[in-house]
Amino acid sequence: NAGVTQTPKFQVLKTGQSMTLQCAQDMNHEYMSWYRQDPGMGLRLIHYSVGAGITDQGEVPNGYNVSRSTTEDFPLRLLSAAPSQTSVYFCASSRGGRGDTDTQYFGPGTRLTVL
Amino acid sequence: RKEVEQDPGPFNVPEGATVAFNCTYSNSASQSFFWYRQDCRKEPKLLMSVYSSGNEDGRFTAQLNRASQYISLLIRDSKLSDSATYLCVVNTWNNDMRFGAGTRLTVKP
Repeated sequence: NAGVTQTPKFQVLKTGQSMTLQCAQDMNHEYMSWYRQDPGMGLRLIHYSVGAGITDQGEVPNGYNVSRSTTEDFPLRLLSAAPSQTSVYFCASSRGGRGDTDTQYFGPGTRLTVL
Repeated sequence: RKEVEQDPGPFNVPEGATVAFNCTYSNSASQSFFWYRQDCRKEPKLLMSVYSSGNEDGRFTAQLNRASQYISLLIRDSKLSDSATYLCVVNTWNNDMRFGAGTRLTVKP
């Protein structure tokens, strides 16, 4: 199993550009989520999905869209990149859903810089 | 006030030392608790879950005090390979996971 994979590993954007961060998992996990990690702050939840066709907002959803057309894939779209979105983005998946105590498995991260 | 607070450190300790990390959380409805480990420029990985009765995994011991809303992690006989950032994670009833900013540990020879 590859686990959770993310592409690209690094990305530089100009302000106003849009792009999609890809995330895939091969563990048949129902729950997937996107986080951003900034210096001095914990990981913050952007969006999450409890199964194919179902998504919901997390703590910091503004400026991001998600979709979940399959169990395996959970792409994160930046609509119009801003310098405040410079961060490291982690995708995660777990077997369980809301309130579950299952382990979250994280992808290797995407380092995004917006100029 | 942050929902999950940790001492950012860094903690610099010699090999073989015992080191303790503390974490406090503000949401009394929190249901489950974890410690994750994150190596430099890597993704977080689960170290251990934290149970009300306390739990131990080798050199690592985790404790939870619900009344004080406090979680701890104790590492005994520190190894060089323990150098990492340790993240305290708290999960509320709706799977809203909140991460602390992490405590950085460096174990020196």
